[in-house]
Amino acid sequence: QVQLQESGPGLVRPSETLSLTCAVSGYSISSGYYWGWIRQPPGKGLEWIGYIYHSGSTFYNPSLKSRVTISVDTSKNQFSLRLSSVTAADTAVYYCARLRPASIGSYPDYWGQATLVTVSS
Amino acid sequence: EIVLTQSPGTLSLSPGERATLSCRASQSVSSNYLAWYQQKLGQAPRLLIYGASSRAAGIPDRFSGSGSGTDFTLTISRLEPEDFAVYYCQQYGSSHLTFGGGTKVEIK
Repeated sequence: QVQLQESGPGLVRPSETLSLTCAVSGYSISSGYYWGWIRQPPGKGLEWIGYIYHSGSTFYNPSLKSRVTISVDTSKNQFSLRLSSVTAADTAVYYCARLRPASIGSYPDYWGQATLVTVSS
Repeated sequence: EIVLTQSPGTLSLSPGERATLSCRASQSVSSNYLAWYQQKLGQAPRLLIYGASSRAAGIPDRFSGSGSGTDFTLTISRLEPEDFAVYYCQQYGSSHLTFGGGTKVEIK
């Protein structure tokens, strides 16, 4: 059974960088699929942030692209998110997910339990 | 960017009734690459449907998806108590993934 677990600070100061890690168990990242991040502001809908292939190829939401970096560490079977210059608008529950690739995009089939990140001074 | 509009925003129904949820895209979704998710309060979304009409593993057959192009539908044939939740559609017909705003199915 594939399991994903997010970890990282729950509080980030404005203008600083949000950093989260997702540990994967039950499946080797090197075996395939995309690995990505999705967020959900309190009481709102879902927003795709980006995803990465085990080879390192990345796809980012254009609205966040200038601030986002997703990386993968196959030796630890985990991947990470960095979001720079955060503001209160980045306060959200952050999910990591495994995404099943299609010929163009992809869709999440396994999700982590999420972690709440609050941006506040 | 493909914008997905879900309607209605809230659906008030009783257990045993049929639920019909709509997801409309601002442009045609390539290859009908449309997925549906169920999210309960405080939980991660769960994949229900992919490819517009294929049920994910372990999903009961009372859930069905249909549609093509710009208009898609999720139908729950007979609502069970555990089906009251928020439902989201998501398109993956472009590398820029987008989600709809969600439909809440609540107990009447």
